[in-house]
Amino acid sequence: GENVEQHPSTLSVQEGDSAVIKCTYSDSASNYFPWYKQELGKGPQLIIDIRSNVGEKKDQRIAVTLNKTAKHFSLHITETQPEDSAVYFCAGGSARQLTFGSGTQLTVLP
Amino acid sequence: GAVVSQHPSWVICKSGTSVKIECRSLDFQATTMFWYRQFPKQSLMLMATSNEGSKATYEQGVEKDKFLINHASLTLSTLTVTSAHPEDSSFYICSARDSGVSSYYEQYFGPGTRLTVT
Repeated sequence: GENVEQHPSTLSVQEGDSAVIKCTYSDSASNYFPWYKQELGKGPQLIIDIRSNVGEKKDQRIAVTLNKTAKHFSLHITETQPEDSAVYFCAGGSARQLTFGSGTQLTVLP
Repeated sequence: GAVVSQHPSWVICKSGTSVKIECRSLDFQATTMFWYRQFPKQSLMLMATSNEGSKATYEQGVEKDKFLINHASLTLSTLTVTSAHPEDSSFYICSARDSGVSSYYEQYFGPGTRLTVT
């Protein structure tokens, strides 16, 4: 089955700086890679996703890149704000099933 | 759009009793729903995939007789934790996949249900 590894587990950045979170996956058949933001005591919220036929996708301050050859994908958040502080999960898989990474606690320092 | 609700948001029950958690897609139809379990400071672990009108598919190591799943309609799936024990205490989260073709891959998550078994 799929195995998704996520780094780093914690990340602190100054407000206004950029944050990058990286994930690798093992199953070359995986074709869907979403990113979720989870605030304490709440369910995950989809923030951006990418499919395997695309190398990069951007939505305002958030971007995701995918390298199918190396089997890794990354989340980039620019101009970070305190409200970006949360746990971020990557996931890999397909319409049938997703495997989640271990999560990154992002703290944006004012 | 794409809102998923869960009820209750938190529940405390005594050891040996059963608890039912509801997951509803409010503004879309969901042929497939998923049930996850999350322990504190850990990732989401898929427990089972629920398909409308058919039996759920359970992940390895998940007891199907303990975690009963019913997906009776295109907008409702239920998870019943039977004979609950303290080790079943966890955060249970459901997600639903929109049956619409254009958004076939996305899973939309509910707010979660905190279960505490005393």
